[in-house]
Amino acid sequence: KQEVTQIPAALSVPEGENLVLNCSFTDSAIYNLQWFRQDPGKGLTSLLLIQSSQREQTSGRLNASLDKSSGRSTLYIAASQPGDSATYLCAEPQTGANNLFFGTGTRLTVIP
Amino acid sequence: DTGVSQNPRHKITKRGQNVTFRCDPISEHNRLYWYRQTLGQGPEFLTYFQNEAQLEKSRLLSDRFSAERPKGSFSTLEIQRTEQGDSAMYLCASSWDGQETQYFGPGTRLLVL
Repeated sequence: KQEVTQIPAALSVPEGENLVLNCSFTDSAIYNLQWFRQDPGKGLTSLLLIQSSQREQTSGRLNASLDKSSGRSTLYIAASQPGDSATYLCAEPQTGANNLFFGTGTRLTVIP
Repeated sequence: DTGVSQNPRHKITKRGQNVTFRCDPISEHNRLYWYRQTLGQGPEFLTYFQNEAQLEKSRLLSDRFSAERPKGSFSTLEIQRTEQGDSAMYLCASSWDGQETQYFGPGTRLLVL
């Protein structure tokens, strides 16, 4: 059974702290993984997509890594800001299909 | 082009009524997806179109749900005889062949009383 797990479900950090969000997946044949941001009551914004042939992708203060062998991806946020407060979701392609299979997300609060 | 748009943004209806949502994808995108998201959960896949063809449907898509994309552009999702359990955010996403990133709309939040 395909599973994507994000722990913790919620995280609070003081402004300026560096932090890591975790995503675990069971599909060893994964060919890419995406990280999204979702603000309350809003749609999803794509942050980073990592191909299975890559180990890292960077965009500004965000860095995402992918380790197929351990079934884990991390999203690193440097120098966190209150504007980073949101829910962060990871997703992989559903096995044998075209749609995405999502984790339940980590709700991040950055305290000023 | 301003991205994926969805209408209405909010819908409140009484149990047993029919509702219809619309999604306008990014204009050059031929792939369109519908997802449903309940509070505290990640989005769950409902159905997928490539151009006007509905190629995949989730088991979540009961007989009361129907989706169309008649001209391969906008799509509609209809729920007949709504139930309280249908209350959720309905998200639409689009992408282009060979492009793995999916672009999401703002969603339609449905509340069934």
